[in-house]
Amino acid sequence: SQTIHQWPATLVQPVGSPLSLECTVEGTSNPNLYWYRQAAGRGLQLLFYSVGIGQISSEVPQNLSASRPQDRQFILSSKKLLLSDSGFYLCAWDRGDYNEQFFGPGTRLTVL
Amino acid sequence: AQSVAQPEDQVNVAEGNPLTVKCTYSVSGNPYLFWYVQYPNRGLQFLLKYITGDNLVKGSYGFEAEFNKSQTSFHLKKPSALVSDSALYFCAVRVRQTGANNLFFGTGTRLTVIP
Repeated sequence: SQTIHQWPATLVQPVGSPLSLECTVEGTSNPNLYWYRQAAGRGLQLLFYSVGIGQISSEVPQNLSASRPQDRQFILSSKKLLLSDSGFYLCAWDRGDYNEQFFGPGTRLTVL
Repeated sequence: AQSVAQPEDQVNVAEGNPLTVKCTYSVSGNPYLFWYVQYPNRGLQFLLKYITGDNLVKGSYGFEAEFNKSQTSFHLKKPSALVSDSALYFCAVRVRQTGANNLFFGTGTRLTVIP
């Protein structure tokens, strides 16, 4: 069966510090991978998605970036965090077409 | 443009009563429709989906949803609500297209089941 991991689970960082969030998927190959941000327990904002190694599409211009160094690894990064980067970050995977997405447990980021 | 709408931010229902969480969509072409549930501080969990065939689909935890093409709706239902059903529910629509993200989420509906 497939599983998706995210770490860390929680993170408190000062403004201006760097960020690295990691997501890995097990039990499948060549998944589509996604990063979402959720503010205040409401809607999902799609940040990045990837259909293959090294292929990243950005949905919202901001100070975040994403990378996919391996087939089942997706990393969200920032060189300098802003207060507005606080939120709940979710990684997800799917097989595209009409398939459902599977979500990781999330990382709660607080920028102070 | 593809979109999905959840017209109610909050739905309250008494335990044991039937519940409905509404979803409407706007897409070009045939839609693939999904419902997800999110408990506090957790990722979203897949509940059910409509791809083709029978308009009434059944999913996890006793939930079901009815696809209505003429009304472009996909409402989530359960005959008898439980307190443990209290959570945030998301409707999503997927369309067949390549080269771009093809999955769109609604803004979510918070369901509270009152004991």
